Amino acid sequence: QKEVEQDPGPLSVPEGAIVSLNCTYSNSAFQYFMWYRQYSRKGPELLMYTYSSGNKEDGRFTAQVDKSSKYISLFIRDSQPSDSATYLCTMDPGNTPLVFGKGTRLSVIA
Amino acid sequence: DVKVTQSSRYLVKRTGEKVFLECVQDMDHENMFWYRQDPGLGLRLIYFSYDVKMKEKGDIPEGYSVSREKKERFSLILESASTNQTSMYLCATHQGGQEMYEQYFGPGTRLTVT
Repeated sequence: QKEVEQDPGPLSVPEGAIVSLNCTYSNSAFQYFMWYRQYSRKGPELLMYTYSSGNKEDGRFTAQVDKSSKYISLFIRDSQPSDSATYLCTMDPGNTPLVFGKGTRLSVIA
Repeated sequence: DVKVTQSSRYLVKRTGEKVFLECVQDMDHENMFWYRQDPGLGLRLIYFSYDVKMKEKGDIPEGYSVSREKKERFSLILESASTNQTSMYLCATHQGGQEMYEQYFGPGTRLTVT
């Protein structure tokens, strides 16, 4: 079983839709949970992070962590064409390199 | 502003050639990483370095080596390029002594081996 599982998509939604992106993981040692966004022909950039369980909101984006289920989510409200990108979940066990999901490719259609 | 640069955006090499990919950062970060990114496989860690002249193998080091002679520069070397090394290569950095979460990535080098 892979440490981090993420559905690669692609996911295509109309503008204004609510988008839900999800990852599951197996290593209970993970402490930090992050979402990176990667536009086409660019390197990934940190979008949001959370520590341990709970929710974190930043504008139209909400990151959610459920450590009991080993499940993390990223919600995008009122999605825009500019949100079209690949979203990578990643996790940090504390003192070793990040473990990345495969990324979900999202297209928001105007 | 954080800046990670990679020597080439696109590179085409022949099988058997020795290939150098260079990454330079201007943030005085201690940690540097090399990944490759392939469709369906995601980001995979090749090598990383916590300090000058130090290196650690990642998940897929076979066929690669690295060099870090100066803090700001981390080179990935393909000793004898093969077609299965055709990929997008991404360099990343992180400030040591902090949580691992914020890594800064370069724009990537798309390498084609023919």
